[in-house]
Amino acid sequence: AQSVTQLDSQVPVFEEAPVELRCNYSSSVSVYLFWYVQYPNQGLQLLLKYLSGSTLVKGINGFEAEFNKSQTSFHLRKPSVHISDTAEYFCAVSTSGGSYIPTFGRGTSLIVHP
Amino acid sequence: EAQVTQNPRYLITVTGKKLTVTCSQNMNHEYMSWYRQDPGLGLRQIYYSMNVEVTDKGDVPEGYKVSRKEKRNFPLILESPSPNQTSLYFCASNPTRGQGENYGYTFGSGTRLTVV
Repeated sequence: AQSVTQLDSQVPVFEEAPVELRCNYSSSVSVYLFWYVQYPNQGLQLLLKYLSGSTLVKGINGFEAEFNKSQTSFHLRKPSVHISDTAEYFCAVSTSGGSYIPTFGRGTSLIVHP
Repeated sequence: EAQVTQNPRYLITVTGKKLTVTCSQNMNHEYMSWYRQDPGLGLRQIYYSMNVEVTDKGDVPEGYKVSRKEKRNFPLILESPSPNQTSLYFCASNPTRGQGENYGYTFGSGTRLTVV
């Protein structure tokens, strides 16, 4: 079985500063990794995904994430955040060869201050 | 527009009164799933369906039922709602066919349910 840990429940940051949201996973087989964003009063939206190939994945809105197999991590980064990036961010993992049922982390609330 | 549509967006009901939350997708996705989202707990899967007439329990299925009679629809049924089912519910779909493809979920906008 797989599991996901988002190490920070809340990350406050000032506008135009860089940010990193941390995600670690546990799985005994190959994984697919995802980041979703949830803006206030909305559903979740896929931000980016890692399926295979290059370990650096670029997503929408200037976000990127790096898959690190040795550290079992998939941290999300943005070099300069905007007020509009204030949202809840979820990391998710699913495994190949099965039903692809994803497991979600508990979420990290990114709060961008002016 | 490709989307997952849930109805209603908001619902207040009383304990024990049966209700159904509808979910429909227009992308011909095979895989559909229901989640509930609670503060501090993230998303927890209630039920999922790999295809028509194929459903299975997720992590928190107690008190819920689902059906998948057509590919596009996956309603969530609460036969006798209780206050601990007050939550934010999301339906999601995925075209994954177990062939090494995994495009990620498309989520509905959510249904905020309050049971009093």
